[in-house]
Amino acid sequence: EVQLVESGGGLVQPGRSLRLSCIASGFTFEDYGMHWVRQTPGKGLEWVSGISWKSDIIVYADSVKGRFTISRDNAKKSLYLQMNSLRAEDTALYFCVRDMKRFLEWFDAFDIWGQGTMVSVSS
Amino acid sequence: NFMLTQPHSVSDSPGKTVTISCTRTTGGIGSNYVQWYQQRPGSAPTILMYEDYQRASGVPDRFSASIDYSSNSASLSISELDSEDEADYYCQSYDSSNRGVFGGGTKLTVL
Repeated sequence: EVQLVESGGGLVQPGRSLRLSCIASGFTFEDYGMHWVRQTPGKGLEWVSGISWKSDIIVYADSVKGRFTISRDNAKKSLYLQMNSLRAEDTALYFCVRDMKRFLEWFDAFDIWGQGTMVSVSS
Repeated sequence: NFMLTQPHSVSDSPGKTVTISCTRTTGGIGSNYVQWYQQRPGSAPTILMYEDYQRASGVPDRFSASIDYSSNSASLSISELDSEDEADYYCQSYDSSNRGVFGGGTKLTVL
């Protein structure tokens, strides 16, 4: 079964850091671009960051650029999101998401979603 | 950067056809593919349509999508409405820098 499982969320104070992880199973992780998408409770979806299968394309939303870092470890079939200088507005459910097609030089539709890990930033 | 504007909500009765629009504020709608996702309460989103009008695997043909260049918008149509279609629907595209952009989402109510 193709699956993405996120972890690492929690309650953190403003200005602190948190690292999210996502473990993939059921597919060849290294072949696919991956993303983080977040959703504030009761609100819409916001794309956060994406990394290509070769890790040669890494992009961020303006709202997190300079504070968040996306990375991947293909040997561990894992995607990460290092979140620094957290703000209250970063409070959201963070989804790990897979590109639909393999070996792309760009990004694609999001065909596999994890169940998300909740990040709450509050003093 | 551009935005994708969706109606906040739409509704119709079972068996009817509803259409949800997604208007790109700047730049041509054809500049990048548009995708559509369905999110039921308490669940992660699932893909419905990709590359403007391609139906994802397992999605019934009651769902269809199109592009209207004159209004610079994409549309998702759902025919033969059923109560199980009650959900939030999101359009999504990319900008020229490969950054993802989501519409604000549309809540579909089946009356």
